[in-house]
Amino acid sequence: SQQGEEDPQALSIQEGENATMNCSYKTSINNLQWYRQNSGRGLVHLILIRSNEREKHSGRLRVTLDTSKKSSSLLITASRAADTASYFCATDTGGGNKLTFGTGTQLKVEL
Amino acid sequence: NAGVTQTPKFQVLKTGQSMTLQCAQDMNHEYMSWYRQDPGMGLRLIHYSVGAGITDQGEVPNGYNVSRSTTEDFPLRLLSAAPSQTSVYFCASSYSIRRDTQYFGPGTRLTVL
Repeated sequence: SQQGEEDPQALSIQEGENATMNCSYKTSINNLQWYRQNSGRGLVHLILIRSNEREKHSGRLRVTLDTSKKSSSLLITASRAADTASYFCATDTGGGNKLTFGTGTQLKVEL
Repeated sequence: NAGVTQTPKFQVLKTGQSMTLQCAQDMNHEYMSWYRQDPGMGLRLIHYSVGAGITDQGEVPNGYNVSRSTTEDFPLRLLSAAPSQTSVYFCASSYSIRRDTQYFGPGTRLTVL
């Protein structure tokens, strides 16, 4: 069963704009992670936020976590064409390192 | 380091055939796992291993076997391929069960006719 659901399913923006993706999940988590997948490639880990954290930054990425609403958001600032990819949230519910992935958001950044 | 490698990149099977998807990592990672990715769905965990000689089932284990005889290798075996197993398969590894960043291989695209 899917733990995470991303919203929107697809997002198209212009280069330089900010992109926001949201993830909702169903059960309590230890941490939530965001991954990027370029077309036809494997997933690349972007950022991890633990259940006791509310916000985390990494370069142009900003992740927030609201455990009361069971939701997270990923903000990419000043987007670039190279950010075009699918973005997935994944939750770790405490069973070791087993992750449950959402269905992903397809981001397209146009020049 | 080569990271996580997977072979083959593409494979076409007929229903009922068996095959093994190979996965290897050269980072001395304890934890390895297999996921499948289907259109419109996120990745789903098939099997995982927390160390050599130790494996366990994930969310969708039916029709697949794994073994972990060495730290480096974690092959996934399809016993009798079915069209429902048409998917992209990803192998991932992490330093240990307590380290959270997982490193993914490039994937194997499998089609079962």
